[in-house]
Amino acid sequence: AQKVTQAQTEISVVEKEDVTLDCVYETRDTTYYLFWYKQPPSGELVFLIRRNSFDEQNEISGRYSWNFQKSTSSFNFTITASQVVDSAVYFCALWGTYKYIFGTGTRLKVLA
Amino acid sequence: KAGVTQTPRYLIKTRGQQVTLSCSPISGHRSVSWYQQTPGQGLQFLFEYFSETQRNKGNFPGRFSGRQFSNSRSEMNVSTLELGDSALYLCASSAGQSSGNTIYFGEGSWLTVV
Repeated sequence: AQKVTQAQTEISVVEKEDVTLDCVYETRDTTYYLFWYKQPPSGELVFLIRRNSFDEQNEISGRYSWNFQKSTSSFNFTITASQVVDSAVYFCALWGTYKYIFGTGTRLKVLA
Repeated sequence: KAGVTQTPRYLIKTRGQQVTLSCSPISGHRSVSWYQQTPGQGLQFLFEYFSETQRNKGNFPGRFSGRQFSNSRSEMNVSTLELGDSALYLCASSAGQSSGNTIYFGEGSWLTVV
């Protein structure tokens, strides 16, 4: 069975703190893709990153970084020096066997 | 480049009625998928269309249906609405058939059933 677990339901941090959002996945596929999306209050899910199962290189994009570890089936997302505008719900997703599976999301609140 | 456009953005319906939601994908995208998002169940896959054909379907009752037109625009319909159908309905599009491609979402249609 395929599954995505985001154990952190809600996280609150003070602006400028670093924060890591955890994502653990389960799949038996050898080829799969992992994603992170951000959902602000407006509702739209905004694409952040896509990773395939053969590429374990960490990715950094500005204040965002992602750590993909197949050994622990994790694809964690770190925001450095968080800002109030980062407040949103973040979803981790897995594509495998013809469909996308989303985690339950982590609500991040960044306090000024 | 315009993103995924969904209409209407907000609507209120009465139990037993039916509703049709519309989605215009990103230009050039031929795959459209629909998701239901509720606080209790999270994001759940409804169905995916590619070149006017339903390619994949989630575990929803037959009251939920959809279709895709030759211009890739899609509609989903929910008949005999129930209170539990109140949700945010999200449409997503991608360039190719679902195969790990990135899917891009619209802002969603907020449906309230009273």
